Amino acid sequence: GAGVSQSPSNKVTEKGKDVELRCDPISGHTALYWYRQRLGQGLEFLIYFQGNSAPDKSGLPSDRFSAERTGESVSTLTIQRTQQEDSAVYLCASSVYLLAGGANTGELFFGEGSRLTVL
Amino acid sequence: QKEVEQDPGPLSVPEGAIVSLNCTYSNSAFQYFMWYRQYSRKGPELLMYTYSSGNKEDGRFTAQVDKSSKYISLFIRDSQPSDSATYLCAMSYSGSARQLTFGSGTQLTVLP
Repeated sequence: GAGVSQSPSNKVTEKGKDVELRCDPISGHTALYWYRQRLGQGLEFLIYFQGNSAPDKSGLPSDRFSAERTGESVSTLTIQRTQQEDSAVYLCASSVYLLAGGANTGELFFGEGSRLTVL
Repeated sequence: QKEVEQDPGPLSVPEGAIVSLNCTYSNSAFQYFMWYRQYSRKGPELLMYTYSSGNKEDGRFTAQVDKSSKYISLFIRDSQPSDSATYLCAMSYSGSARQLTFGSGTQLTVLP
């Protein structure tokens, strides 16, 4: 597709249930990011995938959160035993991997997000 | 103290007004500065990108960086209702998007 695609767009779940969010990046983009955006707050980095390198998981808030990516394609973010504080919009972004100084360095292309509500 | 501070607003202006949006930061190593625009229920999209200090103009938008004051601004001239969105500043010390630090965003409404 032309842009980053995320599903589901909306998810309402009960506390304690597991949820899986999916991201399909722009074709050819080797870097993929997951962010969390709570109401009225900025983007909180969760995890970063770059090609076949080990992912940077430093932003995952707890061991209930995990993510996978197969090669340079689809990624899934899984939240186990959801809590009410997990309610947020989960944004996926992809980018071309550029060395410092390249044009448009730092440009992320975002999907529309998955809005998660934990009751 | 957050690394990047941004007034959340909301900011409401009449159509045609000049809008000034600002961020302050504490990390003097930041060199790459960006403004993202996020429409309601959409993902952010890159609006302006600048490297180091100075001004950059693109149509009705001007991005300004003052590294000595650790202060960046986005000016919107002749604001339009279609400019109504949340504006997020973002910055990094390297060229990698991985190191981006985002502000919390300013919600702007331009009234017709």
